[in-house]
Amino acid sequence: QKEVEQDPGPLSVPEGAIVSLNCTYSNSAFQYFMWYRQYSRKGPELLMYTYSSGNKEDGRFTAQVDKSSKYISLFIRDSQPSDSATYLCAMSVRLDTGNQFYFGTGTSLTVIP
Amino acid sequence: NAGVTQTPKFQVLKTGQSMTLQCAQDMNHEYMSWYRQDPGMGLRLIHYSVGAGITDQGEVPNGYNVSRSTTEDFPLRLLSAAPSQTSVYFCASSYSKGSEQYFGPGTRLTVT
Repeated sequence: QKEVEQDPGPLSVPEGAIVSLNCTYSNSAFQYFMWYRQYSRKGPELLMYTYSSGNKEDGRFTAQVDKSSKYISLFIRDSQPSDSATYLCAMSVRLDTGNQFYFGTGTSLTVIP
Repeated sequence: NAGVTQTPKFQVLKTGQSMTLQCAQDMNHEYMSWYRQDPGMGLRLIHYSVGAGITDQGEVPNGYNVSRSTTEDFPLRLLSAAPSQTSVYFCASSYSKGSEQYFGPGTRLTVT
């Protein structure tokens, strides 16, 4: 079983829709949770970073963490064509030598004008 | 700030050739790392460094070497390229090993 599971999609929505992207994980020791956006042929760009259960909002983006269910989500409101990208979830666990990161495989999103 | 920069953007190698992928950051970050990204596999950690002079292996280190002589630079060396090393390589940096990482634009490597 992978440490982090993410549905690869692809996901296609009309402009203005609410998008829900999800990841599940198996390691209850994960402490930090991140979402990255990756445009085609570009490097991943950090979108959201949180370390607690609950919701964190930044503009049209909301990151949700449910540690009891080992489930994280990214919601995008009023989606725009410029949101078309691959979204990667990431988590980290504290080791003796520092935190170790684990990444999902990414969900491809297309927002249709 | 330029952030994290990588060169070259594209490279084609023949099996057995060696080369160095360059990575530099101007944010005075202690932690730097190299990942490879393959379809369906996600990002996999190759090597990382928690500071100048200190490096360690990640999940998939075989066939790669690194060194960290300065805070700014973290080159990745392919010793004898193999077709299995065809991938997109990303360098990342962060303030410490525990904080969020910032990625470079990537190097697309093809080994024939």
